[in-house]
Amino acid sequence: KNQVEQSPQSLIILEGKNCTLQCNYTVSPFSNLRWYKQDTGRGPVSLTIMTFSENTKSNRRYTATLDADTKQSSLHITASQLSDSASYICVVSDRGSTLGRLYFGRGTQLTVWP
Amino acid sequence: EADIYQTPRYLVIGTGKKITLECSQTMGHDKMYWYQQDPGMELHLIHYSYGVNSTEKGDLSSESTVSRIRTEHFPLTLESARPSHTSQYLCASSEPGTSGEETQYFGPGTRLLVL
Repeated sequence: KNQVEQSPQSLIILEGKNCTLQCNYTVSPFSNLRWYKQDTGRGPVSLTIMTFSENTKSNRRYTATLDADTKQSSLHITASQLSDSASYICVVSDRGSTLGRLYFGRGTQLTVWP
Repeated sequence: EADIYQTPRYLVIGTGKKITLECSQTMGHDKMYWYQQDPGMELHLIHYSYGVNSTEKGDLSSESTVSRIRTEHFPLTLESARPSHTSQYLCASSEPGTSGEETQYFGPGTRLLVL
């Protein structure tokens, strides 16, 4: 069964600290993996996309890694800010075409305290 | 910021009422989607469309219906709302990437409460 599991379910950190969110998947075949940020009461916004051949990709203070062999991804947030408080969702696609299906994780709820 | 809009943002209605959730996008995307999301849970695809006059059911069974008469508009209708329909409904549209991967753009969502 194709699944996407995220950990931890929730996380509280102090402003300025770093944190790492995990995503394990069993989706096959694999096309790409995205990390989305969803603010409370808003729709998800894409942070980064990683394909099979990519190991690391950075977007400002966000760094995503992908290990396609172990089917694991992580999202590292550096020097956290209050505005980073949100749900971070891992989404895996099984094909790159418009026929591909997306598998969503339940998200990690991150709270950044001052 | 994606140019995809949903109205209303919040809706409280009584059981048995007919409602339509509006979704529109100005990006000219052919493919559009409706997702249902409960707190702390993953998004579930309930409907999608490849383009005008195309509608398909998603992975999660839903009593709602959709229509796609215009590219930019993808409304979702519940003929008779029930408390079990209480949820957040997210609309999205997508465009293919340079390497074939899709990028989905989400609207702000409609939070529905059926009493």
